[in-house]
Amino acid sequence: SQKIEQNSEALNIQEGKTATLTCNYTNYSPAYLQWYRQDPGRGPVFLLLIRENEKEKRKERLKVTFDTTLKQSLFHITASQPADSATYLCALVPPGYSTLTFGKGTMLLVSP
Amino acid sequence: EPEVTQTPSHQVTQMGQEVILRCVPISNHLYFYWYRQILGQKVEFLVSFYNNEISEKSEIFDDQFSVERPDGSNFTLKIRSTKLEDSAMYFCASSTQGQAYEQYFGPGTRLTVT
Repeated sequence: SQKIEQNSEALNIQEGKTATLTCNYTNYSPAYLQWYRQDPGRGPVFLLLIRENEKEKRKERLKVTFDTTLKQSLFHITASQPADSATYLCALVPPGYSTLTFGKGTMLLVSP
Repeated sequence: EPEVTQTPSHQVTQMGQEVILRCVPISNHLYFYWYRQILGQKVEFLVSFYNNEISEKSEIFDDQFSVERPDGSNFTLKIRSTKLEDSAMYFCASSTQGQAYEQYFGPGTRLTVT
């Protein structure tokens, strides 16, 4: 079965720096990979989707890369702000399946 | 901006009781989902619903669970006989296309089984 690994330790960075979060997966390469933000006690909020034939996707201060050879996606937040503090979830649909599988998420803490 | 809503926000029930969790998906969305998240754990898929029938379900979604779209707006999850291990946050989500595409999640219902 598909396994998704995200850094379990919280990432602490200073305001203004770039945060980089990692999502690694095993077995099959997904056709799509998604990133969500989750605040405590709230539902996930969709941020970005990247397809297997795309290397990079950007949206404002967010950037996602997708390396199917390494079986890895990187999620970057540039010019980070304290309001970016949250847990970021990686999710994918393995080929041949239609159900979304989430990683456990990485907590990001941005200090002023 | 349209959003998914869920009621109640918190439900406390005794083991063995039936509960119904309610969701109102975004009005022009066609695909509906239920997920759960046990405290400190990852978000887990339960079931997807399209064209008035279940399209996919996980191993978690056993005979104790059922879903229904009783009218044009509500989408419900019923747990027939709750167990302690059903305690979790339950999220409803909806999308215009299938699971590979962006999903919009509700705020969740925290279910506590005592």
